Amino acid sequence: QLKLQESGPGLVKPSETLSLTCSVSGGSVTSGNYFWGWIRQPPGKGLEWVVNIFYGGNTYYNPSLKSRVTMSVDTSKNQFSLKLNSVTAADTAVYYCASYAVVPVAMGFDSWGQGTLVIVSS
Amino acid sequence: EIVMTQSPAILSVSPGERATLSCRASQSVENNLAWYQQKPGQAPRLLMYGASTRATGTPARFSGSGSGTEFTLTINSLQSEDFAVYYCHQFNNWPDTFGQGTKLEIK
Repeated sequence: QLKLQESGPGLVKPSETLSLTCSVSGGSVTSGNYFWGWIRQPPGKGLEWVVNIFYGGNTYYNPSLKSRVTMSVDTSKNQFSLKLNSVTAADTAVYYCASYAVVPVAMGFDSWGQGTLVIVSS
Repeated sequence: EIVMTQSPAILSVSPGERATLSCRASQSVENNLAWYQQKPGQAPRLLMYGASTRATGTPARFSGSGSGTEFTLTINSLQSEDFAVYYCHQFNNWPDTFGQGTKLEIK
């Protein structure tokens, strides 16, 4: 069973860059069984998918965020990361990292981190 | 972008009764649909995938059905731990999209 854990600053100033890291245990970020993804949830609201990456393959972005999002994988640390630039108060949310199982079939997000609240405020 | 619409927004049901939650897609997602349960202060938890396959650890009182644009999550004999918010999620077409959620509350 995978275990995922987000880390990063809980407070980011407007116009700056939000940076989060997800540490993976119980499996490898190079596994062909998973995409790795980020989902966010504004306080009191629903879930919004942000981005997915498949190691050695493509990255898929939410079109509404694509121009501001970067996602990468660090195999040496078994981590993946999210950068969201030019943030505004609308980016305030709990950010979850998750695994997206694709073997034997696509299952959706089967393991989630506990989430980390990021507040955008000066 | 495929829009996922869940109904009702809030569902009040008594413990021991059955709850039926609906999710409609704006276009066909085949059976590439998942359901999640989220309790306050917790991350979502995968309940169902492939519209009708229970994820590991999902009790048998949960069942899913549907294909194409209409999906249902049914919870039989509601237990106290089932009262939560439920989300559907389509992953047939990029971008992935979620429904807005159904809050299942105790009647």
